[in-house]
Amino acid sequence: EVQLLESGGGLVQPGGSLRLSCVASGFTFSNSVMRWVRQAPGKGLEWVSSIRGSGVDTYYADSVKGRFTISRDNSKNTLYLQLNSLRAEDTAVYYCAKPHCSGDTCWYFDYWGQGTLVTVSS
Amino acid sequence: EIVLTQSPGALSLSPGDGATLSCRASQSVSSSHLAWYQQKPGQAPRLLIYGASSRATGIPDRFSGSGSGTDFTLTISRLEPEDFAVYYCQQSGSSITFGGGTKVEIK
Repeated sequence: EVQLLESGGGLVQPGGSLRLSCVASGFTFSNSVMRWVRQAPGKGLEWVSSIRGSGVDTYYADSVKGRFTISRDNSKNTLYLQLNSLRAEDTAVYYCAKPHCSGDTCWYFDYWGQGTLVTVSS
Repeated sequence: EIVLTQSPGALSLSPGDGATLSCRASQSVSSSHLAWYQQKPGQAPRLLIYGASSRATGIPDRFSGSGSGTDFTLTISRLEPEDFAVYYCQQSGSSITFGGGTKVEIK
C-alpha cells in the first residue's frame, strides 16, 4: 500500500523559513517522480514543484522559483521542500503527491499525502 | 501556461439528480493528460478520472468523463450523498495546472 506522510508545517513569520518532509512507502521511491501541490485556505490546487527520481532535475512554479527548493534522500525514502523568504500568500496546506509516470512522461496524480499546513503570519 | 476554467462554480442539486461539470482549456490538451479529482473537506484530492474518460480504481460507474481538445466534461449520473464535494480538473500536457473547481452542494 502506497503511503505518503508529510510533516514540518507550522506557523512562521513573514520572511522566515521552514522545511517540509514527506516519507514515502509502498513503492520504489528512488525511481519515482515526486511533486508538491499546495492549497490556500478555501482556494483551489496549485502545483508547486517536481523532482525526478535521481534528484538531478527539478522544476518550480513561477510563484515560488528562487525561494523554495525541492530535494530528496532516496536512502530514506524522503522528499523535502525547503521554504525560504515566506510570504503571507504562501499560507496553504502542502501536499506531497506521486504522479503516474512512464519514462519521461507523467500524467495524473494517483497518490496524495494528507497534507501539512503552513501558516505565514506575524 | 494552460488555464483551465471550470463551470459552473457551484451546483445545488439533490441526491438522485444528475450533474454535468465542465472544464475548458485555454489551448488544446491531449486527452491522455486530462484528469478529474474529487475533494471533500479536510481531505486530500482523490483521483476519479484519468485520460479524460478512464475511471480510476474503485470509482463507481456513475462517474464518467468525456471530451477532447479544449472542452472536457465530468458527468455524475445519479448523485449519492457521498458525492457532494468539490471537483477539479487537471492537465499535465504543458506544465501542470488545475481548474478552479466546481462545488457540488446539497440543495
